[in-house]
Amino acid sequence: DAKTTQPNSMESNEEEPVHLPCNHSTISGTDYIHWYRQLPSQGPEYVIHGLTSNVNNRMASLAIAEDRKSSTLILHRATLRDAAVYYCILRDASGGSNYKLTFGKGTLLTVNP
Amino acid sequence: EAGVAQSPRYKIIEKRQSVAFWCNPISGHATLYWYQQILGQGPKLLIQFQNNGVVDDSQLPKDRFSAERLKGVDSTLKIQPAKLEDSAVYLCASSLSFSTDTQYFGPGTRLTVL
Repeated sequence: DAKTTQPNSMESNEEEPVHLPCNHSTISGTDYIHWYRQLPSQGPEYVIHGLTSNVNNRMASLAIAEDRKSSTLILHRATLRDAAVYYCILRDASGGSNYKLTFGKGTLLTVNP
Repeated sequence: EAGVAQSPRYKIIEKRQSVAFWCNPISGHATLYWYQQILGQGPKLLIQFQNNGVVDDSQLPKDRFSAERLKGVDSTLKIQPAKLEDSAVYLCASSLSFSTDTQYFGPGTRLTVL
């Protein structure tokens, strides 16, 4: 499976933007970039995903580098509720590995009031 | 829409005992997943069902772990006998199909093996 590299932890202040980086230098052409997050004592929840173009939804934005070897999850105004572990995952859309998600350790985001 | 339900939420057992976890996926979701999450790590896929058939169980320790989804709806994961290293959170997730992008996770069952 293609692997991703994320910082172990990041800090932010409430109501400020947060940029969470992810490196995936061995990404293949059929890999989608997915982001999930896991709030304390909860199961992971889907945040956003994309292939080549930048994506926006109500939770976040995903900026994908032109060569697709890196991406950034953007939280436009962090709230205390955004404190969580954020996972960047490559998912093979061609059916390889049965489309499964392989989680790394993710980035622990701390939001300061 | 009701989410993925799991029970129990917490379980404490002694090593060599047996334990079972139950999961009820979101209605209409054909694919069901069981993950194991050890403290400080990301979830690891144990088994993936499509309806009542197994799609992937390559990381399931089959000498002690078993799972079933007999009617293609709810599922049970069993550990027999448990070892200390099985202490973890067991997460169930579901999706419309195995090619669908989004997986929806339940709250998990925290297992402590003493």
